Amino acid sequence: AQSVTQLDSQVPVFEEAPVELRCNYSSSVSVYLFWYVQYPNQGLQLLLKYLSGSTLVKGINGFEAEFNKSQTSFHLRKPSVHISDTAEYFCAVKGDTGFQKLVFGTGTRLLVSP
Amino acid sequence: EAGVAQSPRYKIIEKRQSVAFWCNPISGHATLYWYQQILGQGPKLLIQFQNNGVVDDSQLPKDRFSAERLKGVDSTLKIQPAKLEDSAVYLCASSPQGQGGETQYFGPGTRLLVL
Repeated sequence: AQSVTQLDSQVPVFEEAPVELRCNYSSSVSVYLFWYVQYPNQGLQLLLKYLSGSTLVKGINGFEAEFNKSQTSFHLRKPSVHISDTAEYFCAVKGDTGFQKLVFGTGTRLLVSP
Repeated sequence: EAGVAQSPRYKIIEKRQSVAFWCNPISGHATLYWYQQILGQGPKLLIQFQNNGVVDDSQLPKDRFSAERLKGVDSTLKIQPAKLEDSAVYLCASSPQGQGGETQYFGPGTRLLVL
């Protein structure tokens, strides 16, 4: 079974500042890793995902994440945030064989202020 | 391309009543998922369908929850009778095959409040 830990429940940041949202996972098998964003009263939208290959993954809206197998981490970063990035961000993990379920973390609320 | 459709968007019921949610996935997607998202938590998978068969319902409280996808397209999730702790957002998602690292596409969700 897999599990995900997002230690920061809320991250306040000023507009145009850089941000990092932390994600650590646990799994006994190889995994796929995902970051989803959820805007108020909306469903989840995929930001980016790591399947294999390069450990630095670029996604939509200027976000990127780096897979670190030794530290079992998949932290999300953005060099300069906008007010519109204010949302809930979820890290998720899935085993890489067969019909594995997608397991989500508890989410990190990113609050961007002017 | 139309996204995942869900209805209703909001529902308020009293405990012990029944409620049903409907989902229409993206056209051609074989796999359909129902998730429960309790306030302050991440989504939790309730049930996964592959066409009209169940792949995983290990986290579905089967004494009160049921789901069906009779024709392998749209799906209905039912709660009967509802409890206070069922207050949550119910998200439907779909994906082409349900395997590997493919993306799951989520609908806007149904927000349920049980009083």
